[in-house]
Amino acid sequence: GESVGLHLPTLSVQEGDNSIINCAYSNSASDYFIWYKQESGKGPQFIIDIRSNMDKRQGQRVTVLLNKTVKHLSLQIAATQPGDSAVYFCAENVPQTGANNLFFGTGTRLTVIP
Amino acid sequence: GAVVSQHPSWVICKSGTSVKIECRSLDFQATTMFWYRQFPKQSLMLMATSNEGSKATYEQGVEKDKFLINHASLTLSTLTVTSAHPEDSSFYICSARVIGSLFGPGTRLTVL
Repeated sequence: GESVGLHLPTLSVQEGDNSIINCAYSNSASDYFIWYKQESGKGPQFIIDIRSNMDKRQGQRVTVLLNKTVKHLSLQIAATQPGDSAVYFCAENVPQTGANNLFFGTGTRLTVIP
Repeated sequence: GAVVSQHPSWVICKSGTSVKIECRSLDFQATTMFWYRQFPKQSLMLMATSNEGSKATYEQGVEKDKFLINHASLTLSTLTVTSAHPEDSSFYICSARVIGSLFGPGTRLTVL
């Protein structure tokens, strides 16, 4: 699951609509997943996480869904606001590496249209 | 609350010089810290794992003699980019594993 991002997919949504950001991971041994939000010039900010023994986890306005069968992770943002505009990364923890490192996906740029 | 800070936030240097970036854990101790590099419009790439009191573990392809890591205390890890070149210009971010990882604000390095 050590993917390298060469292109940044983009998603544009109207303010108030729901957003769905998708992420595919490749390592079936990954046991922990995290979604991060990164604004320009800043470090990643933790949004929500989920362990591999769960399919769904909800937070405030955000929901993460995990489908281990197809190695797919999604982040749903309800009632998207302009402040949600940022780049969103999924990250997977691969325990087999021994150091419990996080490997980041390509990232998706979310733009909220007022 | 637990925070990871980095200093400086932005550094511009001449080619050939060395630059030190500090990563500090505030209000918690971190025996392990991680250093990432992020090029524009790209994802974060793990460079190395910094271990307090022992040698850092570098990812494949990362030159350990160029990117010196020192984790001298439980609250401080430093990354020194030696003999920096323009291709080293990037956004360097550190993190500490505190429930889902806590990231620093990043340091932008511009090498002229």
